[in-house]
Amino acid sequence: SQQGEEDPQALSIQEGENATMNCSYKTSINNLQWYRQNSGRGLVHLILIRSNEREKHSGRLRVTLDTSKKSSSLLITASRAADTASYFCATDNTGANSKLTFGKGITLSVRP
Amino acid sequence: DAMVIQNPRYQVTQFGKPVTLSCSQTLNHNVMYWYQQKSSQAPKLLFHYYDKDFNNEADTPDNFQSRRPNTSFCFLDIRSPGLGDAAMYLCATSREVLRQPQHFGDGTRLSIL
Repeated sequence: SQQGEEDPQALSIQEGENATMNCSYKTSINNLQWYRQNSGRGLVHLILIRSNEREKHSGRLRVTLDTSKKSSSLLITASRAADTASYFCATDNTGANSKLTFGKGITLSVRP
Repeated sequence: DAMVIQNPRYQVTQFGKPVTLSCSQTLNHNVMYWYQQKSSQAPKLLFHYYDKDFNNEADTPDNFQSRRPNTSFCFLDIRSPGLGDAAMYLCATSREVLRQPQHFGDGTRLSIL
């Protein structure tokens, strides 16, 4: 069953603006990961945040994790046209037979 | 550069004609995964290998098989492709199964005539 649910499903912003994408999940996790996928390409790992971490930064990316609300957000600051892509959250769940489970993704369009 | 390479990028096959997709990695990772991704959907895990150990997902159709002859290569065999199997197939690797990021190839887009 699908674990992560991203919100919104699609986001369109102007270059230079910030983009915020949210992810909610249902069960306990070891970590939560964000990936980017450009059209027709594979997924690229962006950032991994562990269940005992609350915030993580990588360049223009900022990820937060609230395990009490079972939610995460990905903030891209000062967006560029090259950030146009689909963004997926993926949860690494605890328990037997755990695996990385992806949400449906958010389509981000950054207008030049 | 270390990477995950999938060949071919585009594959066309006929309904019912067996097809094999290939994946190679230079990362020397223990785990190799195969995902199916249909348009505007999440990648769906089909199976993975931890070294030589094969792990099938419960809902993966029997039509899909995999082989991993060595650490570097992994193959996805679709024995009798149906129209519903048209999709992007993504190969990924990771050092371990859990708590690790996955490294993806650029995928093979499979079309069924």
